[in-house]
Amino acid sequence: GAGVSQSPSNKVTEKGKDVELRCDPISGHTALYWYRQRLGQGLEFLIYFQGNSAPDKSGLPSDRFSAERTGESVSTLTIQRTQQEDSAVYLCASSPAGQDNYGYTFGSGTRLTVV
Amino acid sequence: DAKTTQPPSMDCAEGRAANLPCNHSTISGNEYVYWYRQIHSQGPQYIIHGLKNNETNEMASLIITEDRKSSTLILPHATLRDTAVYYCIVRVTGGFKTIFGAGTRLFVKA
Repeated sequence: GAGVSQSPSNKVTEKGKDVELRCDPISGHTALYWYRQRLGQGLEFLIYFQGNSAPDKSGLPSDRFSAERTGESVSTLTIQRTQQEDSAVYLCASSPAGQDNYGYTFGSGTRLTVV
Repeated sequence: DAKTTQPPSMDCAEGRAANLPCNHSTISGNEYVYWYRQIHSQGPQYIIHGLKNNETNEMASLIITEDRKSSTLILPHATLRDTAVYYCIVRVTGGFKTIFGAGTRLFVKA
């Protein structure tokens, strides 16, 4: 597609349930990033994928969070046993081949609400 | 990645230039200055980046001081649609995780 696509755009889930968030990066972009943004706050880095290299998971806040990426395409962010503090907008971004002369391209995010 | 310091908020009159400052006193020689903006309820949008020379594109100009310890993003003729949070980031190009600070909330007023 022309941009980074994220789904669902909104997700309401009960505390303790697992959720999966999906990101479709721009075709040909080998680098993919996940960020979290709590209400009124800045972006918090979660995880970074670059091609077939091992992902940088240093930003994942707990072992309830995990992410996978199929080759250089779709990525899913999974949150297990959701907690209310997980409520946030989860943003995905991609860039080509580790070079980002035009910066990252972000998706519109998934707004997660844990009730 | 180096940390940046930005004012939390600024006002600008519509049609005037908006000058958004950023301090990055610990920037390394191979780190670039990037600017993004985030309009309410949208993902951040790349604006511009530079290493040490001033840069200009269709959206903005970036002025980097000679010692590279600070920079200014200039929106030459601000419009109401430029109301957003503006993030200044320093990082190596093609780098890995990028740390976003709190940014500057710019209010453009009619």
